[in-house]
Amino acid sequence: EAGVTQFPSHSVIEKGQTVTLRCDPISGHDNLYWYRRVMGKEIKFLLHFVKESKQDESGMPNNRFLAERTGGTYSTLKVQPAELEDSGVYFCASSDQFNYGYTFGSGTRLTVV
Amino acid sequence: AQSVTQLDSQVPVFEEAPVELRCNYSSSVSVYLFWYVQYPNQGLQLLLKYLSGSTLVKGINGFEAEFNKSQTSFHLRKPSVHISDTAEYFCAVSVLWRRRFGAGTRLTVKP
Repeated sequence: EAGVTQFPSHSVIEKGQTVTLRCDPISGHDNLYWYRRVMGKEIKFLLHFVKESKQDESGMPNNRFLAERTGGTYSTLKVQPAELEDSGVYFCASSDQFNYGYTFGSGTRLTVV
Repeated sequence: AQSVTQLDSQVPVFEEAPVELRCNYSSSVSVYLFWYVQYPNQGLQLLLKYLSGSTLVKGINGFEAEFNKSQTSFHLRKPSVHISDTAEYFCAVSVLWRRRFGAGTRLTVKP
């Protein structure tokens, strides 16, 4: 069974540019989560999709971040425009309808210069 | 509200020595507790979890953790570490459908 796939694995962009991160959850998982870890701090929750709907987006830092989950399959997280403080590792996770099989992807390391 | 504190940011040990990574949590309700590991350039991997039942939980790669409700702790232990255990370890608590993580402990195993 394929795990949670994220790409790109690394991205380096200039301040003010736009970046889109993608997450493919485990097939059949209704729940999809985004988390972020900035420079040596704790991993923080960003938001939670149930299928295509945003269940909880309380962790989204500001309106420069936009997450979508078209058709309840893969999800994208767009940062526009990127700022220096957005640098960090963005993790995606998914779980089934009963919250079993909670699995994290390998993350996308975003560097804004 | 639930929270997690990892008491050591870095733990250096020699190969074959025992190690304990400390984690304390706070919660007003029953909790589920987890330890994750992140090896260099890899994602988060579940080491073990406590949901209920026996307070001693065994995980992968020879790690185990003990849930102590009176001390609100969930410390991770391994009796003899290997170079390959060098990684960052995260303690986490479940909050509804998400995880709340500690700041991480970087374990460095030296030859």
